[in-house]
Amino acid sequence: GIQVEQSPPDLILQEGANSTLRCNFSDSVNNLQWFHQNPWGQLINLFYIPSGTKQNGRLSATTVATERYSLLYISSSQTTDSGVYFCAVEGWDNDMRFGAGTRLTVKP
Amino acid sequence: EAQVTQNPRYLITVTGKKLTVTCSQNMNHEYMSWYRQDPGLGLRQIYYSMNVEVTDKGDVPEGYKVSRKEKRNFPLILESPSPNQTSLYFCASRPAGRAVAKNIQYFGAGTRLSVL
Repeated sequence: GIQVEQSPPDLILQEGANSTLRCNFSDSVNNLQWFHQNPWGQLINLFYIPSGTKQNGRLSATTVATERYSLLYISSSQTTDSGVYFCAVEGWDNDMRFGAGTRLTVKP
Repeated sequence: EAQVTQNPRYLITVTGKKLTVTCSQNMNHEYMSWYRQDPGLGLRQIYYSMNVEVTDKGDVPEGYKVSRKEKRNFPLILESPSPNQTSLYFCASRPAGRAVAKNIQYFGAGTRLSVL
């Protein structure tokens, strides 16, 4: 199955800083999503982005499918951005696979 | 409101005592799935279902059963729970089909299971 690697595993930022999270995957995908898991465990979809670039407020994401990676950008980080960010991909086998996540801590 | 509802949210049980975690979605989604989340491993898919009466194994199906008799419901069954099934479980749903423009997956709030 497709392997998904996220980096860095942990990230600590000062409020207001920018950050880039990376997701590498081992094969072609037809579905790629970024999720945020808040400190209460809730999983929220941020982007559905199998290719291209999207922006939503302070967050944006880019997937370069031909090079098998995706980037999540967080600008002007806030304490409410803290949590774990997951990249999930799905190949043609309908089996959605998650990376191990990036744990982000934003300090006031 | 569009949602995926799982019950119970918390469950403590003993080894060998059969249990069922229910999952229901109100978005008429074809695709539903179950995941378990363990520290350092992210989420791993247990089972998924592309539609009614169609279920398939994910990465970690051992020790679990599912059924999909109705479109909206996808219960997870542990016939004989063991301590290694202590985990945080998530149910999810989304539209099926690769032609769907926004194949966004929606998650339930999670069920924290402890097997003693």
